[in-house]
Amino acid sequence: GEKVEQHQSTLSVREGDSAVINCTYTDTASSYFPWYKQEAGKSLHFVIDIRSNVDRKQSQRLTVLLDKKAKRFSLHITATQPEDSAIYFCAASAGGYKVVFGSGTRLLVSP
Amino acid sequence: NAGVIQTPRHKVTGKGQEATLWCEPISGHSAVFWYRQTIVQGLEFLTYFRNQAPIDDSGMPKERFSAQMPNQSHSTLKIQSTQPQDSAVYLCASSLEWGVRAETLYFGSGTRLTVL
Repeated sequence: GEKVEQHQSTLSVREGDSAVINCTYTDTASSYFPWYKQEAGKSLHFVIDIRSNVDRKQSQRLTVLLDKKAKRFSLHITATQPEDSAIYFCAASAGGYKVVFGSGTRLLVSP
Repeated sequence: NAGVIQTPRHKVTGKGQEATLWCEPISGHSAVFWYRQTIVQGLEFLTYFRNQAPIDDSGMPKERFSAQMPNQSHSTLKIQSTQPQDSAVYLCASSLEWGVRAETLYFGSGTRLTVL
């Protein structure tokens, strides 16, 4: 079955710097790649997604890049702020209802 | 819209007791999912309902876990004879529609189950 890997368990940046969180997936049929954010003590909420018909999607300070050949996708956060500190989960779906999540990357933004 | 509502927020049971977790999905959402979150295993899919019908329970430990969705406004996850390894945060999520195309999941706040 699909496996999604997040290679960074923790990422520390200074406020104002950019952060990049990387993920890889195994199923070439995967076509939907959402990202979720989990702040301390809270549940997951959706932040951005990308579908396989495009290789880049931007929403304000967030950009998702998708490299289908390498089976890799990444979340780029520019001008980081302390409120960006959270665990970010990448996920992949080959359609249907199964969404497989990565293990999460804890982003720490220090002032 | 109150979002996905899960109750209770915390539940503590003794080993061997039963635990029932409740979920109220967002009104109008036809897809309901249960996930389990632990530090070691991360987010694990448990089960999925579409229009109240059970579609896939392949992630559920078969013997002690069961899930139901008796109506469109709530789903329950029941764990019989709870074991310490069942300790986790159980997350319910709903989605507007889930057909061929995957859609955004809206998660509840979760129920933290602690089995002593």
